[in-house]
Amino acid sequence: NAGVTQTPKFRILKIGQSMTLQCTQDMNHNYMYWYRQDPGMGLKLIYYSVGAGITDKGEVPNGYNVSRSTTEDFPLRLELAAPSQTSVYFCASSYGGTGGYEQYFGPGTRLTVT
Amino acid sequence: DAKTTQPPSMDCAEGRAANLPCNHSTISGNEYVYWYRQIHSQGPQYIIHGLKNNETNEMASLIITEDRKSSTLILPHATLRDTAVYYCIVTGAGSYQLTFGKGTKLSVIP
Repeated sequence: NAGVTQTPKFRILKIGQSMTLQCTQDMNHNYMYWYRQDPGMGLKLIYYSVGAGITDKGEVPNGYNVSRSTTEDFPLRLELAAPSQTSVYFCASSYGGTGGYEQYFGPGTRLTVT
Repeated sequence: DAKTTQPPSMDCAEGRAANLPCNHSTISGNEYVYWYRQIHSQGPQYIIHGLKNNETNEMASLIITEDRKSSTLILPHATLRDTAVYYCIVTGAGSYQLTFGKGTKLSVIP
């Protein structure tokens, strides 16, 4: 199994541009998550999904959108990029919620907005 | 979710046991203790979790005090590859979110 894969690895955006960060998992997990990590800080949850067609906001959802049309894919959309969105983005998946199930993380996408 | 307190940094000699403490004095009865680590800028890696009992797997052991207000992650024979930031996270069964603090930066020294 490849686990959780993310593309691209790196990206530089200009202010106001848009992009989609891709995330795919091959473990047939129902739950998927997007986190961001600013320098020297812990991860913060942006959005999560408990199954295809179901998404919900996390701690820091402003400026982002998600969709979940399949079990495998959970893309994160940035509209009108701002310098405050410069961060490392991690996608994760799990079989169940945090009540006893571990989350598997992808390698991350490093995004710079200038 | 209960808040956790960890020391910001620790050193450990290579080959020795690394004992990483975590305080979670406000933990409630249905909340789990999770440990993850992050090596350099990679994605976090799951290590172990527990509810009430001590747990052991191929990577580490988790010791939870009887009152559940603190726990210790033990890496039995630390190697240089164990140098990482270690996160102790307390979360309930009804939550989807892992709340990452700043963790403990463990440096394994040759």
